[in-house]
Amino acid sequence: DAGVTQSPTHLIKTRGQHVTLRCSPISGHKSVSWYQQVLGQGPQFIFQYYEKEERGRGNFPDRFSARQFPNYSSELNVNALLLGDSALYLCASSLEDRAVGNEQFFGPGTRLTVL
Amino acid sequence: AQSVTQLGSHVSVSEGALVLLRCNYSSSVPPYLFWYVQYPNQGLQLLLKYTSAATLVKGINGFEAEFKKSETSFHLTKPSAHMRDAAEYFCAVTSFSGGYNKLIFGAGTRLAVHP
Repeated sequence: DAGVTQSPTHLIKTRGQHVTLRCSPISGHKSVSWYQQVLGQGPQFIFQYYEKEERGRGNFPDRFSARQFPNYSSELNVNALLLGDSALYLCASSLEDRAVGNEQFFGPGTRLTVL
Repeated sequence: AQSVTQLGSHVSVSEGALVLLRCNYSSSVPPYLFWYVQYPNQGLQLLLKYTSAATLVKGINGFEAEFKKSETSFHLTKPSAHMRDAAEYFCAVTSFSGGYNKLIFGAGTRLAVHP
């Protein structure tokens, strides 16, 4: 069975540009979460989507946005890129959004470098 | 609010020695706790999780962790380290607020295993 997939694997952008990252969840999973992992730190929660609706948002500026499609895949968009946006962006899927202790399965991530 | 603290950003052991990675949590409600492993240039893989059943949790690759409420700890152990265990390890707690789940991660501990 395919796990969580993300594209692209690596991306290099310059300051001020826009970027779109993509995620396909495990088949049957309806919830997708996005995390940002800056080098040397643990992942930080950005968004959670369930059934195409935003369920939660972390402490990130409005330059960050996301959406979920009818097939449960998801996009993370970042506008007006800053050097500090350089990070590994992780997507995680789970069966649902509200079951406490529900396991989240992570993809390999997209490494974004902003120059 | 929930949080986790991982004591020791770097741990070095010899092959065959005991592995002990420390994690302390803070939670106003009974916590759900996780240990994830991240190999170089990869996403996160779940090692084990505590969801209020047995306090001693066995995971993959010979790892286990013990939930100690009195010490607010969830330390990860492995009796005998292998070279392939060299990776970054993250402790995480589930935060359920606003009607959705998210994971709150510690800063991580990098495990080095020497021959």
